[in-house]
Amino acid sequence: KAGVTQTPRYLIKTRGQQVTLSCSPISGHRSVSWYQQTPGQGLQFLFEYFSETQRNKGNFPGRFSGRQFSNSRSEMNVSTLELGDSALYLCASSLSGQGIVGTEAFFGQGTRLTVV
Amino acid sequence: AQKITQTQPGMFVQEKEAVTLDCTYDTSDPSYGLFWYKQPSSGEMIFLIYQGSYDQQNATEGRYSLNFQKARKSANLVISASQLGDSAMYFCAMRARVYSGGGADGLTFGKGTHLIIQP
Repeated sequence: KAGVTQTPRYLIKTRGQQVTLSCSPISGHRSVSWYQQTPGQGLQFLFEYFSETQRNKGNFPGRFSGRQFSNSRSEMNVSTLELGDSALYLCASSLSGQGIVGTEAFFGQGTRLTVV
Repeated sequence: AQKITQTQPGMFVQEKEAVTLDCTYDTSDPSYGLFWYKQPSSGEMIFLIYQGSYDQQNATEGRYSLNFQKARKSANLVISASQLGDSAMYFCAMRARVYSGGGADGLTFGKGTHLIIQP
């Protein structure tokens, strides 16, 4: 069974540009969440999608957006990149769509974004 | 809001010894889940173990066990017979607040503990 796949693995962008990251969840999983990991702030929740709908959002500016397709694949977009957006972006997929607290999240290897 | 505190930034442990990684949490929600993840240098977060707030027994998964003390809001991870491959970052996380319309808060993570197993 394939795990969570994130592409690309590494990305270098210039300040002011925009970027799109992709996540393919485990087959059969309908929930996809995104997290940002930086040395200073640690791991922070960005947003969660289930059945193409954003169900929950963390405390990030509107420059961060996402979407989910009918096949559960998800994309995350960051517009007008800032140096502080340099981070490891992790995607997690879950089976349960009911927001059960015990839902196990399976993570991908992440996309390491560097903004210069 | 939820909060996770991991007070050990780094730990050095001899191979084959048992390890306890500390985690305390704070939430006002009665229903919550506690998780431990391992993150090797490759970056992927690997799920280790889960404990629900209403679970009566401490969770165990192979060499991993979770020492859940609800009154003290503590959820320490115990690794028995440590191995060199256990060297990694370890994160404690929680999820609470299930909304009536579905959905829940995302996982709240602690800052992590960098565990190094020495031969």
